[in-house]
Order: sequence, then structure tokens, then C-alpha cells
Amino acid sequence: AQKITQTQPGMFVQEKEAVTLDCTYDTSDPSYGLFWYKQPSSGEMIFLIYQGSYDQQNATEGRYSLNFQKARKSANLVISASQLGDSAMYFCAMSRIKLVFGKGTKLTVNP
Amino acid sequence: EAGVAQSPRYKIIEKRQSVAFWCNPISGHATLYWYQQILGQGPKLLIQFQNNGVVDDSQLPKDRFSAERLKGVDSTLKIQPAKLEDSAVYLCASSPLSTGNTIYFGEGSWLTVV
Repeated sequence: AQKITQTQPGMFVQEKEAVTLDCTYDTSDPSYGLFWYKQPSSGEMIFLIYQGSYDQQNATEGRYSLNFQKARKSANLVISASQLGDSAMYFCAMSRIKLVFGKGTKLTVNP
Repeated sequence: EAGVAQSPRYKIIEKRQSVAFWCNPISGHATLYWYQQILGQGPKLLIQFQNNGVVDDSQLPKDRFSAERLKGVDSTLKIQPAKLEDSAVYLCASSPLSTGNTIYFGEGSWLTVV
């Protein structure tokens, strides 16, 4: 069975600082994908970054990077140089046969 | 490239009434998903289609929810009769394949049952 755990219900960060959002997962399958999505108050789910289980390098997309530690089954999202517009819910998700989401972390960026 | 289209965006109905949501995925995407997201929670997969076949519907309350994807393109999710606890955002998503590809979401259909 696939399971995603996000242990931080809420996080606060100062503008221009970096922040790490935690995600751990559980699966017995060797092949899977890990995603991070951003959900602003408007409700849309915005794709941020993807990491395949066989990828050797950590994924990066602009200010977003995924710290993938396969042995620890963790896939933390790092946002560098936070902006006010980064305030939103962030969801970690894992895909094998189906895409399963964690409960999310609410990020608030303070000016 | 057009995104995932959903309608209606907002719907308010009374309990025991019925409602239907429509989704048109990105052109060429074989896999279509319907998720239910209750306020403050992560999305929960209701049903996943590969073309017009069902891959997973284990969390679909089949006594009141139904979904179809005729011709393997657009899809309809129906709730009949609605309950208060069905108040949620219903998200449709699509991807080229079921694994290893980015999954794109529509803007969601917000349902309030009163």
C-alpha cells in the first residue's frame, strides 16, 4: 500500500529565507514517482516538481528543489528565497498505480 | 495547450438532491482522475480511468456516487442523493500515463450541500 506522511500542519518563514517542507512515504514497490503540488486559496493544484525513484540526482525547478533520500524514504521540498506569493498549502504525493496525497502543510510567508 | 477543464466551478444544492460534474482532460491524456478534497484535508482519489476503463474506484461511495468516461475522453461524476458530508472540492486531473508523468489538475468544482 502507498502512504504519504506530512508531519507539519503549518510552517512560517520570513520573506527571502529558505524553508523545508517534510514528506515521508511508504511503499514496497521499487518504481514510483514523487510529486509536490502547491494549492493557493483559489483551490487549483499547481505542479511544482517531480522525482522518479530511479533518478540519481535530486530534482530542481527554479526555486524549488526536492531533497530525495531513498533509504530514509523521504522527499522533502526546499523552497529558496521565499516570496509572499508562496503562501499556500503544499502537498506531497506519490504515484505508483495511483496518485496518493499527504494531508498537506500550510506555508505562511511573512514580510 | 489547453488545460483540464471542469464545470461547473461552483454548485450549491440541498441534501438529497443530485449534482453532476463534468471534466474534459488535456487532449491525448489517457488517464483521468477524480479526487474529492474536503476543506483542510488532502485530496482523496475517488476513481481513476485509463482510457474508458476503470483502474481504481476503491474509495468511491458507489451507493451514491457514479462516474463514467465514455469514448475515453471527457468524464462525468454524479452524486445522487447528496449528503451534507459531500461538501467538498471535486478535482479532475489527467496524465498521459498512470505513472511517471506529471499529473495536471483542473481548477476544481466546489460543492456545498445545505
